[in-house]
Amino acid sequence: EPEVTQTPSHQVTQMGQEVILRCVPISNHLYFYWYRQILGQKVEFLVSFYNNEISEKSEIFDDQFSVERPDGSNFTLKIRSTKLEDSAMYFCASSGQGALEAFFGQGTRLTVV
Amino acid sequence: DAKTTQPPSMDCAEGRAANLPCNHSTISGNEYVYWYRQIHSQGPQYIIHGLKNNETNEMASLIITEDRKSSTLILPHATLRDTAVYYCIVRGDTGTASKLTFGTGTRLQVTL
Repeated sequence: EPEVTQTPSHQVTQMGQEVILRCVPISNHLYFYWYRQILGQKVEFLVSFYNNEISEKSEIFDDQFSVERPDGSNFTLKIRSTKLEDSAMYFCASSGQGALEAFFGQGTRLTVV
Repeated sequence: DAKTTQPPSMDCAEGRAANLPCNHSTISGNEYVYWYRQIHSQGPQYIIHGLKNNETNEMASLIITEDRKSSTLILPHATLRDTAVYYCIVRGDTGTASKLTFGTGTRLQVTL
């Protein structure tokens, strides 16, 4: 069964550093998303991406964040100048034509120290 | 997107049906009801969705009331692996990359 793959599974970074979280969406999907979940809190929407541009972004997704689809398979989330409060699970998701159900990856646990 | 209300927790004996309710009284005509679950800290997993008719797939059944103000997710024979947080989400036009807005969900505990 096709799945969304995220790497790394766990990333530890020092405050102020830049991190890139990587995702391989399901092949032939067209819509891509990033969500995050701070420990013990709700899953929060960050950004959606379609046709090589951002479709929607939340208030969380400020200038510190950026997304890119550098090639035909990868979808990345870059976080610049990380802060302690960026520590969270980051989930990538993708959906196909018609944008019905979204399939989530297993997440990257980001720990900022 | 319409807001949903779910009980914070429920218990179910293994092998029995788990019926998870959701209220979405402000749902509008073009909004779908989606159910996802999250096992421990894994990524949310899609279960089922519907607009106005009842739906069934290999995982669950979704019963939507005629006025669409509430719905029930039914896991017909719950197993220990169904222990998870279940999210009922109302989502707008699925023709675009519209977001899923997760609430706090229902924590379902399946016991022996």
